Amino acid sequence: AQSVTQLDSQVPVFEEAPVELRCNYSSSVSVYLFWYVQYPNQGLQLLLKYLSGSTLVESINGFEAEFNKSQTSFHLRKPSVHISDTAEYFCAVRPLSGGYQKVTFGTGTKLQVIP
Amino acid sequence: DADVTQTPRNRITKTGKRIMLECSQTKGHDRMYWYRQDPGLGLRLIYYSFDVKDINKGEISDGYSVSRQAQAKFSLSLESAIPNQTALYFCATSAETGGKYEQYFGPGTRLTVT
Repeated sequence: AQSVTQLDSQVPVFEEAPVELRCNYSSSVSVYLFWYVQYPNQGLQLLLKYLSGSTLVESINGFEAEFNKSQTSFHLRKPSVHISDTAEYFCAVRPLSGGYQKVTFGTGTKLQVIP
Repeated sequence: DADVTQTPRNRITKTGKRIMLECSQTKGHDRMYWYRQDPGLGLRLIYYSFDVKDINKGEISDGYSVSRQAQAKFSLSLESAIPNQTALYFCATSAETGGKYEQYFGPGTRLTVT
């Protein structure tokens, strides 16, 4: 069994300030980790993923996340947010074997960027 | 054009009515999924299909049924809608080969059952 915890349901932050969205997980097996972004009235879009290798992964729009195995965390960070980053962000995990039918999503964090 | 499309995008229906949500994809993926999203609960899996003849129940399949008409089409039906099925429904596909390991989501269908 596995679970994902996103403790912050909402995070307000001023434009150009840094932000961290927290994600912790538990699993009895090794997992792949994902962050998805959902803009209003849209589906989920993959933001970044950790499959193996370097524990620091980056997206094309300035977000990064670091896989910390000892703390079972995969926090999402951005050094300077823009208004366009306002969205809901979901952390997700799935076991290495078994496919996406075994993915578990967190409950989501709404990022509100304040002008 | 979008790779995963869903119709309708919004639907209001009455308790007891049968309703079908449709999903089509142009990504050529064999695997397709139906999820529902409720505020504060994230996404939960309803049904999934690995190919036309392989359909499986997910975490919350009660009250729902599905049909995989073709590799590219996967429909979700509510045989007799009830108010607690009011939610946002997403269709998704996935790639498991070529090191991709990605899941692609449709834009969602907002269903309201009155």
